[in-house]
Amino acid sequence: GENVEQHPSTLSVQEGDSAVIKCTYSDSASNYFPWYKQELGKGPQLIIDIRSNVGEKKDQRIAVTLNKTAKHFSLHITETQPEDSAVYFCAASGEGAQKLVFGQGTRLTINP
Amino acid sequence: DAGVIQSPRHEVTEMGQEVTLRCKPISGHDYLFWYRQTMMRGLELLIYFNNNVPIDDSGMPEDRFSAKMPNASFSTLKIQPSEPRDSAVYFCASSSGQKLFFGSGTQLSVL
Repeated sequence: GENVEQHPSTLSVQEGDSAVIKCTYSDSASNYFPWYKQELGKGPQLIIDIRSNVGEKKDQRIAVTLNKTAKHFSLHITETQPEDSAVYFCAASGEGAQKLVFGQGTRLTINP
Repeated sequence: DAGVIQSPRHEVTEMGQEVTLRCKPISGHDYLFWYRQTMMRGLELLIYFNNNVPIDDSGMPEDRFSAKMPNASFSTLKIQPSEPRDSAVYFCASSSGQKLFFGSGTQLSVL
């Protein structure tokens, strides 16, 4: 089955700097890669996703890149703000598959 | 839409007791998922339903765990008997495609 590895487990950056979180997946058939943000006491919330027919996707300060050959994808947050502090999860699933496999999460802290 | 609604938000019980967690998915969503979150194991998929039918329960840890979806707007996850190692946050999520929408979770503590 699919296995998703996420790094780093914790990340601390200065406000205004960029943050990058990386994930690798094992199943070459996977074609859907979402990123979720989880704030304290809340459920994970989808912030951006990408499909395997696209190499990069941007939404304001957030971008995701995908390298299908290497089977890895990354989340990029630019101009970080205190409200970006949260736990971020990557995930992967295959064609038509509803079963998302999640990475272990990255705790991002933005220092003022 | 109010989103996915879970109850209770917090549950404290004693070992051996029955625990029932409840979920109301987003109206119109045809998939419902139950996840468990712990520090050690992260987010684990326990079971998911499509059109009220269980599709994959391979993540259910033991026979002590059972889940039902009697109709499109309600699902339960039951643990009987509960054990301290069941302590975790349990999330319900729903979708109509691949985008999952999570509830706020139930924090379960088994003493």
